[in-house]
Formats: sequence, structure tokens, C-alpha cells
Amino acid sequence: GQQLNQSPQSMFIQEGEDVSMNCTSSSIFNTWLWYKQEPGEGPVLLIALYKAGELTSNGRLTAQFGITRKDSFLNISASIPSDVGIYFCAGQGGGSNYKLTFGKGTLLTVNP
Amino acid sequence: DADVTQTPRNRITKTGKRIMLECSQTKGHDRMYWYRQDPGLGLRLIYYSFDVKDINKGEISDGYSVSRQAQAKFSLSLESAIPNQTALYFCATSEQGVVGSDTQYFGPGTRLTVL
Repeated sequence: GQQLNQSPQSMFIQEGEDVSMNCTSSSIFNTWLWYKQEPGEGPVLLIALYKAGELTSNGRLTAQFGITRKDSFLNISASIPSDVGIYFCAGQGGGSNYKLTFGKGTLLTVNP
Repeated sequence: DADVTQTPRNRITKTGKRIMLECSQTKGHDRMYWYRQDPGLGLRLIYYSFDVKDINKGEISDGYSVSRQAQAKFSLSLESAIPNQTALYFCATSEQGVVGSDTQYFGPGTRLTVL
């Protein structure tokens, strides 16, 4: 089956620093999604990418759909304490292959 | 009000008991999903349903069953709970058909502990 490698597994940063995390796949995806999960809550969608090469921003978050369709990255600029959480990438095959394949997550800790 | 709700939010049960987790949504989506989350393993798909007459197994369906009672309701059952089913369980929904609209939206989760 499809495999997603998400890195890093965890990050400890100071408030104000920029953050970058990425996912790579052994196969092609038609959609990349980035979710954030806070303790005791379900994943919340941050950014959705639907086209190879697409670069999309949502406030301080920027994500890109890799041109090979096998990778994506998420950047967070000027981190703040409320950015703490687990960030998941997810890839979707498209067409009748609606299923999401999730990365194992990046745990982000922001020190004030 | 939340678009996707799950009940209960927390449940402790004993080995061998039958447990039902419920999910309701007000988003009007046709597709619904059940996932489990374990530390270090991310989210894994248990079952999914495209409409009330459609039920499909995911990657880890053994030991689970589901029922799609209505477009808005999708329940997950553990017929005879075992300790390795201790996990966080999430329901998700998505919209059918339109390109780019299969984005999944998650409920708040149910924390299940099987003793």
C-alpha cells in the first residue's frame, strides 16, 4: 500500500522561529492535505492542495504540493505558543480512490 | 454547534463487552469514515460508507462492525472488546463527487480504554 514518510517526528522551537515539515510518498497523490490536532480534539484541516506545484497560504501557514506529486511541505512562520500540536499530512489518490493516507505526524512544541 | 459529533467522548470498558460508538453530522455529507489513532501510528481507516446503502472495510476492520443508520449517522461497534482496541477513535465526513471536495472533516474523537 501507499506509504507516507513525515518528518521530523518532533520539533522544539522558540517562539518567533519559523518551522518547516514535510511528507514524502512512495506513490503519486492527487490531493495533499495538512491537518493540526490539539490535545483532546480531532484533526482540523489547515490547508488543502489540489494541483502539482500549487503553493497555498493560510495566515502564517504556507504549504506546497510537490511538482512530482510525491511530496508536500508545510511552513509556519513566526511561531506562537498556540501553534503547539501535532501536524499531520495526508495524501489522497483521487478519482474513485478517495481514501486518505496519513503521515505519522510532527509534534510541535513552542517555548514562549 | 459542532458539525461532526461523537458520543461518548470517553469510555472505559472490560474485555469481552460489546461497545458502540456513535457519530452524527450536520454537514450534509454523503461519505462517512471511522479511524483509530494510536501513538506513533497516525490515523488508520477502519470502515467507510459512501451512502446509507454502502459499507466498505478499511485497512484494519477486523474486530469491528459499522452501521449507517441515516445519511447523518454512522456507528462503530466492537462486538467483543479486547485491550489492543484501546485507542482514540475518530469519525470523519466528506462530500461526494465534486472535484476537490473529498476533504475530510473530523469529529472530536472518542477515547476508548479496554481493561
